[in-house]
Amino acid sequence: SQQGEEDPQALSIQEGENATMNCSYKTSINNLQWYRQNSGRGLVHLILIRSNEREKHSGRLRVTLDTSKKSSSLLITASRAADTASYFCAPEYGNKLVFGAGTILRVKS
Amino acid sequence: NAGVTQTPKFQVLKTGQSMTLQCAQDMNHEYMSWYRQDPGMGLRLIHYSVGAGITDQGEVPNGYNVSRSTTEDFPLRLLSAAPSQTSVYFCASRRRPGPTGYYGYTFGSGTRLTVV
Repeated sequence: SQQGEEDPQALSIQEGENATMNCSYKTSINNLQWYRQNSGRGLVHLILIRSNEREKHSGRLRVTLDTSKKSSSLLITASRAADTASYFCAPEYGNKLVFGAGTILRVKS
Repeated sequence: NAGVTQTPKFQVLKTGQSMTLQCAQDMNHEYMSWYRQDPGMGLRLIHYSVGAGITDQGEVPNGYNVSRSTTEDFPLRLLSAAPSQTSVYFCASRRRPGPTGYYGYTFGSGTRLTVV
């Protein structure tokens, strides 16, 4: 399978703390994307990092990509209760975007 | 409102029935995809399309058909529903990759399908 694999499966933190989620994948990619899903809803695109990029920022989000280790991480700084959601990494191979099982993030206020 | 529209939002089918899940987008996106999401799992790609008249299989295509006669619409057909097809189905679309690279997908709100 070419799916990404997220780690940890679940993460519980206090409001204001940082949350880090990791993703590993198997073969060469065009890019890697991160999505958020609030309970029972559709996915929302957060950030895309291309295979020739190493780090990207968007607001409180920071994504890194290490193609030699086939891994990526998503850092959410100064978390808020509204960040509670499932987060998915999605490596893209050719025209196929495949998803991992996700990390469930719970931010306690 | 611009976006991806999926209909119906909920559907119950009997085993062996057929039906079509509708997906329409008004953003002139060339790329469209269908995913299914089962409890505790990520999304699995069923079929995708990179433009009108072009479709290809994803990870779990068996039991599903698609066609892409227009840029706007990408219907998913269940040929003979089975309980294993009980799932939430998501349609997504995005622009074709350009000189500046790739784009993220816009997702619909999903169709919850139960096959009894």
